[in-house]
Amino acid sequence: QKEVEQDPGPLSVPEGAIVSLNCTYSNSAFQYFMWYRQYSRKGPELLMYTYSSGNKEDGRFTAQVDKSSKYISLFIRDSQPSDSATYLCAMSAGNQFYFGTGTSLTVIP
Amino acid sequence: NAGVTQTPKFRILKIGQSMTLQCTQDMNHNYMYWYRQDPGMGLKLIYYSVGAGITDKGEVPNGYNVSRSTTEDFPLRLELAAPSQTSVYFCASSASGSLFFGSGTQLSVL
Repeated sequence: QKEVEQDPGPLSVPEGAIVSLNCTYSNSAFQYFMWYRQYSRKGPELLMYTYSSGNKEDGRFTAQVDKSSKYISLFIRDSQPSDSATYLCAMSAGNQFYFGTGTSLTVIP
Repeated sequence: NAGVTQTPKFRILKIGQSMTLQCTQDMNHNYMYWYRQDPGMGLKLIYYSVGAGITDKGEVPNGYNVSRSTTEDFPLRLELAAPSQTSVYFCASSASGSLFFGSGTQLSVL
């Protein structure tokens, strides 16, 4: 079983839709949870960062962590064509980081 | 703010050649990492460093070497390049539980 599981998609939505991206994990020691956005031929860009369980909101983006279910989510409201990218979930225990394989998102104008 | 800087951005190598991928960060982070990213395979850790003079192997270290003589720099050395090393390489540094990535080096070995 992989440490982190993420549906690769691809996911295609119309502009303005609410997008839900999800990851599950198996290691209960993970304490830091991150979402990265990666445009084609670019490096991953840190989008959201959460410590332990709970919700965090930043503009159109909301990150949720449910440690009891070992499940994290990223919600994008009012999605825009500029949100088209691959989204990677990541989590860490100490100084080791574990990544999902990424979900490819396309927002259609 | 430069963050994590990688050079070169692109490189084509012949089988058996060697090269060094450069990485420098200006955030004074102690932890630095090298990953490779292959299509559909996610990010795989090659080597990491917890501070100057200290390095350790990651998941896929074979064919690579690193050094960490300063806090800022963490070069990755490829010896005897093989087609299996065709990939995109990312350097990253860490602070407070999150990673910050460079823009990557796209390497082709032909």
